[in-house]
This record gives sequence, C-alpha cells and structure tokens, in this order.
Amino acid sequence: NAGVTQTPKFQVLKTGQSMTLQCAQDMNHNSMYWYRQDPGMGLRLIYYSASEGTTDKGEVPNGYNVSRLNKREFSLRLESAAPSQTSVYFCASWTDQETQYFGPGTRLLVL
Amino acid sequence: ELKVEQNPLFLSMQEGKNYTIYCNYSTTSDRLYWYRQDPGKSLESLFVLLSNGAVKQEGRLMASLDTKARLSTLHITAAVHDLSATYFCAVDVGGSRLTFGEGTQLTVNP
Repeated sequence: NAGVTQTPKFQVLKTGQSMTLQCAQDMNHNSMYWYRQDPGMGLRLIYYSASEGTTDKGEVPNGYNVSRLNKREFSLRLESAAPSQTSVYFCASWTDQETQYFGPGTRLLVL
Repeated sequence: ELKVEQNPLFLSMQEGKNYTIYCNYSTTSDRLYWYRQDPGKSLESLFVLLSNGAVKQEGRLMASLDTKARLSTLHITAAVHDLSATYFCAVDVGGSRLTFGEGTQLTVNP
C-alpha cells in the first residue's frame, strides 16, 4: 500500500497562475482532507470530503476549489494564485476510529 | 469557536529529563490524536485516544486523555535526541473533522 500520495512535491507559480494539486489514497477511506501549514503554525483545514460525492469548506477555503473525483482521489485547485497562498499543502484521509493518514506534502511558492 | 491550545509551544530539554506537553481544548470531545512532525516532513501518527481515561504508551512517550477536564497530556520520559520534533495534538470536533493545536517544538540537547 502506498498510503496517501500527492503530486507535485514542489511547485513555483507566478501570481495569477492556476494549478491543481492531486491526492490519492489506496486505503479505501471515506473521508479526505486538504490542509495548509504555514511556518510556526499548526494545520488549517481548507476543504474536506466526508464521503464520495460530498465536499465542504473548512477553516480557510477562500481562493481554493476542490473535486472529489472518486473514492480514491481528491484534488485542490488554485484558480488564481496569490503570494498569501505560499505554503505547504497536506492531503489526508481518514476512517472512523483510526488516525488521519497524511501525504508527503506539496511545497508551493507563489511569486 | 473551538480552540486547541498546546503548551509549551517551545521546549528545550536535556537528555535524560522528563517533561509533559499539555493540550487543552474548548469543546466537548472524547477523541484526541497526537502526531509527530520532523522538519520538512509529513505528520506521523503517535497516539489515538478514543475515550475518557485512555492512556497509551510507546517507548518513552505516554499520552492520556481527560475529557471532563478537556485536557490531554504527552509525557516524555528520559528524553533522547531522537525525540526532537514538533508534536501536534488534534481534537475530533465531529463531522469527520479534526482541529489541530499550534504544535510544540521539542529540542532535546545532549
């Protein structure tokens, strides 16, 4: 099992460019999440999908959109990147009574 | 608004010493999770605490949960350098969501 995988690992964007971060899990989990982590801070929830076919806003959804493509895949899209979106992005998956499993992260720099 | 507060936020300790990290939260929850993060890495699960009074131990780390006090502790016994990392607690707030504390950056010095 690969667990939770994310692509790309690193990305540099110019202000106004768009991109999609991809996430996939092979653990048959219902719930999937996108977090961002800024220096010296914990994780903040951007969007989540409690089950296939549903998505909900988290704490910091502005400037982002998500798609739960199927049970395995959950993507995060930045339509018009801003320097404030420079961060490390983590995808996670979860099933009840267990821990959340995290992907390796995507380091994004917006110039 | 749910608050999850960890203290201390920064902890520098000597090898061989004991210390406790505290995680307080402001809402009713009976599930709490501890994670470890090494610099530049992802989060690794340490403990899953699913009920009041739950206690879990792994090596030099022991975690406990008091849901009535809304408090979890992560106790470090006889610290070693390899435990240097950032430790996060996360509270199950329902609706399949977790809220994370700010993290405690632990440095263990020889």
